[in-house]
Amino acid sequence: GAGVSQSPRYKVTKRGQDVALRCDPISGHVSLYWYRQALGQGPEFLTYFNYEAQQDKSGLPNDRFSAERPEGSISTLTIQRTEQRDSAMYRCASSFQGGATDTQYFGPGTRLTVL
Amino acid sequence: GIQVEQSPPDLILQEGANSTLRCNFSDSVNNLQWFHQNPWGQLINLFYIPSGTKQNGRLSATTVATERYSLLYISSSQTTDSGVYFCAVPSGGYNKLIFGAGTRLAVHP
Repeated sequence: GAGVSQSPRYKVTKRGQDVALRCDPISGHVSLYWYRQALGQGPEFLTYFNYEAQQDKSGLPNDRFSAERPEGSISTLTIQRTEQRDSAMYRCASSFQGGATDTQYFGPGTRLTVL
Repeated sequence: GIQVEQSPPDLILQEGANSTLRCNFSDSVNNLQWFHQNPWGQLINLFYIPSGTKQNGRLSATTVATERYSLLYISSSQTTDSGVYFCAVPSGGYNKLIFGAGTRLAVHP
């Protein structure tokens, strides 16, 4: 596609529910990243995929968070048993190759609110 | 890990004024990106600038990699420039970006 797309754009859920956030990267981009951005702060890294392989998940805060990219394109970030502290903007980015000199392009984000 | 600091944290301008935003980083990098987060929350790429100077309209950026800083210049500011400006550098062998806390800019008519 023309840019990175994410869905839903807004998600309101009750504490304890599971949520799935979707990211569709730019067509042909090998690398995909998830970030989380709390209000008033910069984005923080969660996890990174190279094709379908999850190369780094060091930023996932705990085992309630998981991500997959089974066919090397669309990715899903799943949060189980949501808690109020999970409320944030979740951003997805993609880049052509994923090297340290590559440009990352961000999607519009999913704003998650846990009541 | 690498640290990224941005200054000033907040900036208020009258329309038409010029400004300079600064980004300092604690280690050598081979990539630096500037982003603008608009009031609707979208994160928009401004510059990919590991070194040297680039210009795009009223915006320009300079990175002095040897001294570990980058500057973003906004000239003749407009109300549409309002939002938060972030710089980000990679950590590790791939492009895991480390962001600064941002500079919050408000341009008043």
